[in-house]
Amino acid sequence: GEDVEQSLFLSVREGDSSVINCTYTDSSSTYLYWYKQEPGAGLQLLTYIFSNMDMKQDQRLTVLLNKKDKHLSLRIADTQTGDSAIYFCAESLVSGTYKYIFGTGTRLKVLA
Amino acid sequence: ETGVTQTPRHLVMGMTNKKSLKCEQHLGHNAMYWYKQSAKKPLELMFVYSLEERVENNSVPSRFSPECPNSSHLFLHLHTLQPEDSALYLCASSQDPPGLRADTQYFGPGTRLTVL
Repeated sequence: GEDVEQSLFLSVREGDSSVINCTYTDSSSTYLYWYKQEPGAGLQLLTYIFSNMDMKQDQRLTVLLNKKDKHLSLRIADTQTGDSAIYFCAESLVSGTYKYIFGTGTRLKVLA
Repeated sequence: ETGVTQTPRHLVMGMTNKKSLKCEQHLGHNAMYWYKQSAKKPLELMFVYSLEERVENNSVPSRFSPECPNSSHLFLHLHTLQPEDSALYLCASSQDPPGLRADTQYFGPGTRLTVL
């Protein structure tokens, strides 16, 4: 079955880079996404990548996709305390039926 | 503000109650979604509506009943829930029907549901 996995926690110091990793099992994914959830709020889309791309950069965010290893990562440069949140990886699939699968989320804590 | 609002933000109900969650999107989107977010579990997609028709129902128990009267509103009717149904229920919307292209979903803040 389809599965998206992430590590649960990550701590970094302010100003350092953060790298949040995600692995997925279904190779028929069309798009992969990164969402951010702050306390008491819904999910906010940060960025997405089409499955035939290797990399996408958007200001401080860099997404890397390794299709062979089914591995997705989100790098946040110059991490700030405001980046502390839960980050969710997700994939969308259309293979007979529609699926949108989220990982368990990685809680990022930025230390001042 | 994402343009997706949910009410109520918090709800406590007994197992015999009937209640409804409401979601409204002000973005002119064509698709709306209900998700369940439980502690330490992946976000679960419950229902998808595209152009006011239900296109996905991921084996959700019948005690959850969705309704989409128009493209801007989505309801989740609840009856005879169980304590394990306590969770954050998130509504989302997207411009295009699911699967058409990158499904940029805009989420509401959620309703925190507690079933006693």
